[in-house]
Amino acid sequence: DGGITQSPKYLFRKEGQNVTLSCEQNLNHDAMYWYRQDPGQGLRLIYYSQIVNDFQKGDIAEGYSVSREKKESFPLTVTSAQKNPTAFYLCASSSGGTDTQYFGPGTRLTVL
Amino acid sequence: QKEVEQDPGPLSVPEGAIVSLNCTYSNSAFQYFMWYRQYSRKGPELLMYTYSSGNKEDGRFTAQVDKSSKYISLFIRDSQPSDSATYLCAIAGRGSARQLTFGSGTQLTVLP
Repeated sequence: DGGITQSPKYLFRKEGQNVTLSCEQNLNHDAMYWYRQDPGQGLRLIYYSQIVNDFQKGDIAEGYSVSREKKESFPLTVTSAQKNPTAFYLCASSSGGTDTQYFGPGTRLTVL
Repeated sequence: QKEVEQDPGPLSVPEGAIVSLNCTYSNSAFQYFMWYRQYSRKGPELLMYTYSSGNKEDGRFTAQVDKSSKYISLFIRDSQPSDSATYLCAIAGRGSARQLTFGSGTQLTVLP
């Protein structure tokens, strides 16, 4: 079954803690993306990676970090520097040369 | 001014109605246009993709692009309660980054 998986589905974090959100794809896509979605707002790009071992900041990268050590994996770490991390986080991927992105089911992060 | 503006809704229609969802954009460099459907607490799923002015039809869905007016629309014919979701327009420009710019989404409810 091809697709994008994200885990966990729900995540609770205490203030001051770093947490890592997992994103895995078996679509053999080159590019992967992380978005944040807040209620009533569209998706805002956090980070993206077009190839392994390379990634670029998106519009709201402050307080987040990523790695791309394997083609199929693109984990996102929400650090304690992110002042308002409670949101719905979406991972996406696309194949080289296309604009169409396919999304995972999302992780809802809540800061307690 | 946001690069992509979308009517926020919410929009409520009776079953069987024709639904019109709209976005405007400001940058004429945008060339590729997508509509995503997002059910509550799920990841967005791609509905329609088009890159030229005119209409593209897929079942009950029609995507319309007017590049001269920088205006895109999604029409849903014979709307069903299962169409109740948030609809996001997404637009991409030329370039290797393959970044999408999303509208804020229109929440649609189809009443049985």
